[in-house]
Amino acid sequence: DIVMTQTPLSSPVTLGQPASISCRASQSLVHSNGNTYLNWLQQRPGQPPRLLIYKISNRVSGVPDRFSGRGAGTDFTLEISRVEAEDVGVYYCLQSKQFPLTFGGGTKVEIK
Amino acid sequence: QVQLQESGPGLVKPSETLSLTCTVSGDSITSSSDYWGWIRQPPGKGLEWIVSLLYSGGTYYNPSLRSRATISVDTSKNQLSLKLTSMTAADTATYYCMRHRPYISPDYWGPGTLVTVSS
Repeated sequence: DIVMTQTPLSSPVTLGQPASISCRASQSLVHSNGNTYLNWLQQRPGQPPRLLIYKISNRVSGVPDRFSGRGAGTDFTLEISRVEAEDVGVYYCLQSKQFPLTFGGGTKVEIK
Repeated sequence: QVQLQESGPGLVKPSETLSLTCTVSGDSITSSSDYWGWIRQPPGKGLEWIVSLLYSGGTYYNPSLRSRATISVDTSKNQLSLKLTSMTAADTATYYCMRHRPYISPDYWGPGTLVTVSS
């Protein structure tokens, strides 16, 4: 199984300031087809998760452009350029290169 | 608009079998391009993938749950179901029904149903 490790556990941020979340995979997420299957999801309090970004950096339709993803191989980052109140929640990375699908432990973004 | 809705008992006794159903609208569970399955989340904890099924071929289980979990479909009702045997307190969680494309994260989720295991 591919183990996904996220840091930090918690990220207190001032409104309007940036936030950054790291995710490391225990093995490369590059598929033999050349694609890298790393996703980012947001879970607001009391709601199911919502897909934000797939294949490292592709934003889902409707996701604000203050969210961006980058990385390669085993190391990935989700960045929020200017945190807004609606961004509060837990963020998860997910590898979908192979079964079993595996999630990172989550990073809680909260407002200072 | 794809919608998923879970249903099932909110309370299960230890050692019993959990049965959950997910009703899908806006897409067909027989689609050759969509996986359908289940993910769970214990209270205050992270997400755990349980199972994904591609109707045209291929069912994949989390190895940690394979011996206890069974997914099935009812095409006449456009529903999928999950059975999880020998329930313990560690299985207390919100269970989500979801859809995903090959190699992509789930993009549609049900609202989730909380299942508590207690005598």
